[in-house]
Amino acid sequence: SQQGEEDPQALSIQEGENATMNCSYKTSINNLQWYRQNSGRGLVHLILIRSNEREKHSGRLRVTLDTSKKSSSLLITASRAADTASYFCAPPLSTQGGSEKLVFGKGTKLTVNP
Amino acid sequence: DTGVSQNPRHKITKRGQNVTFRCDPISEHNRLYWYRQTLGQGPEFLTYFQNEAQLEKSRLLSDRFSAERPKGSFSTLEIQRTEQGDSAMYLCASSLRRGITDTQYFGPGTRLTVL
Repeated sequence: SQQGEEDPQALSIQEGENATMNCSYKTSINNLQWYRQNSGRGLVHLILIRSNEREKHSGRLRVTLDTSKKSSSLLITASRAADTASYFCAPPLSTQGGSEKLVFGKGTKLTVNP
Repeated sequence: DTGVSQNPRHKITKRGQNVTFRCDPISEHNRLYWYRQTLGQGPEFLTYFQNEAQLEKSRLLSDRFSAERPKGSFSTLEIQRTEQGDSAMYLCASSLRRGITDTQYFGPGTRLTVL
């Protein structure tokens, strides 16, 4: 089963509007990361929020984290056509081997129409 | 550009052939991960290296897959006797753990098509 699951699976908005994407996860975490992926390309790290943080900002991005509900949200304000991409939340899963493997959901496909 | 490079960017091969991909991580990063991503899905973890030691392998990594990271620098992922089901994007990520956080930086990926 997937650790991180995003909702909605697809979102279409007009340029200038805000976009909100939600993420739910299953296990306890010490941080959660959000990534963006343009079609057919690699993932770009957007923001990391630690478990002791409730909200974090980076430019037009705002991320919240509610560890009691095991959920996070990503808000993109004043969206642009260039924000069109898939967005993934990635809660890490610590393993006995010492890795912090990221367990991705299917992502939210955001389309920003000019 | 995250600083992680992967080669080749695209590979088309016939079923049954062997293929090898290379990942060059960010130079000071001691951790290296391989993931696989199929169309419409998020990346799935394949394997993890800390320096030159391969410390974890997913059950997705069948006997036909082998990964190495000699000298703890670049890494290679080899697939022997490729099958059509191996067609996917293979992503490499590197990180340097700081405290309790381990931000992974991804390369552009190698897209494999098995005919």
